[in-house]
Amino acid sequence: GNSVTQMEGPVTLSEEAFLTINCTYTATGYPSLFWYVQYPGEGLQLLLKATKADDKGSNKGFEATYRKETTSFHLEKGSVQVSDSAVYFCALTLNQAGTALIFGKGTTLSVSS
Amino acid sequence: NAGVMQNPRHLVRRRGQEARLRCSPMKGHSHVYWYRQLPEEGLKFMVYLQKENIIDESGMPKERFSAEFPKEGPSILRIQQVVRGDSAAYFCASSPLSSSDVNYGYTFGSGTRLTVV
Repeated sequence: GNSVTQMEGPVTLSEEAFLTINCTYTATGYPSLFWYVQYPGEGLQLLLKATKADDKGSNKGFEATYRKETTSFHLEKGSVQVSDSAVYFCALTLNQAGTALIFGKGTTLSVSS
Repeated sequence: NAGVMQNPRHLVRRRGQEARLRCSPMKGHSHVYWYRQLPEEGLKFMVYLQKENIIDESGMPKERFSAEFPKEGPSILRIQQVVRGDSAAYFCASSPLSSSDVNYGYTFGSGTRLTVV
């Protein structure tokens, strides 16, 4: 089946530290991969995406590279800020119109000043 | 261009009552998805609908839960005879019809937080 596995949190960092949140996937076919962010009390917002192998998605200083050989899509940021504190979800969808997103369990990031 | 609108934002129901959650997709989107987020867990897919059709309800509990997306008006997720275990955040997402936009991603609403007391 199709699934997403994320590293368990919470992840606690100091401001300006380097962030990595691991994500691996299992999929039939060639999925598109996404990172969503959920700030406290809010819905999910698309952070970045990649649609094929070796694509790099980036937004707001966050990056993730679609690695087909390792079936991974790890999220990275060189220098986190307090405002990055949120829950981060890795997700995939198969490249068919109307297919649902499959999410990982989410990783809580807490950044302190 | 309004995003995905969900209401109410918060809903409190007593055990045994009915809960109705509404979702208006983005303009031009004809696919609607409902997800449930339980405390300390990720989002679980519940149901996928197009106008007047349920396409995939593999994530819906077999009893008490139903969903619809009528020709006119919002999509409705209905939970009958609610129990405490139904307390969760329910999110709706919409996506475009065109297969060429399949990699666009999905736009999520802000969710309805249901509390059963």
